[in-house]
Amino acid sequence: AQSVAQPEDQVNVAEGNPLTVKCTYSVSGNPYLFWYVQYPNRGLQFLLKYITGDNLVKGSYGFEAEFNKSQTSFHLKKPSALVSDSALYFCAVRDLYNFNKFYFGSGTKLNVKP
Amino acid sequence: DGGITQSPKYLFRKEGQNVTLSCEQNLNHDAMYWYRQDPGQGLRLIYYSQIVNDFQKGDIAEGYSVSREKKESFPLTVTSAQKNPTAFYLCASNLQGIPDTQYFGPGTRLTVL
Repeated sequence: AQSVAQPEDQVNVAEGNPLTVKCTYSVSGNPYLFWYVQYPNRGLQFLLKYITGDNLVKGSYGFEAEFNKSQTSFHLKKPSALVSDSALYFCAVRDLYNFNKFYFGSGTKLNVKP
Repeated sequence: DGGITQSPKYLFRKEGQNVTLSCEQNLNHDAMYWYRQDPGQGLRLIYYSQIVNDFQKGDIAEGYSVSREKKESFPLTVTSAQKNPTAFYLCASNLQGIPDTQYFGPGTRLTVL
């Protein structure tokens, strides 16, 4: 079965510092991985995706993610955090055998303090 | 939130009542989904539909029903059989058959009084 895990419920970082939000995956075969952000009482917004190709994927709002096959990870990163980045972040994997099923992690709350 | 609209944004229901949440998309997507989100938890799949007049149960379908009479619309009914319906409900859609992203609506917050 396909799944993703987000080991941290919450990440705290100071504004201007680099941030990392962790995600590990479990799939058989090549994964299709996604990151989403959710602001309070809003839907999820797409940030970036890894389908194939370069292991470093760049996305919206200065975020990037690194696909690491040996560690089965897809961590979300940003070189310099902003207070406005504070939100809930979800990692997701798409089912390889049923493209129409996505599996979401439990979410990581990012707090960026001024 | 892309081309997906959900209404209403907030919904209050008395115990024992059925309520219907609306989801409409103008993205020409074949596949549509309903998720439930509870505080501190991830998204749980209620129902999904890959094509008009067809839908499948997700992980937590009990107490819910859906219909897909039009490609653009995928309403969710929360029935009185759902024992704990207070939650944030998200509708999503995506293109079928290719590994593209899922697009989400703004959500409906349902509260049972």
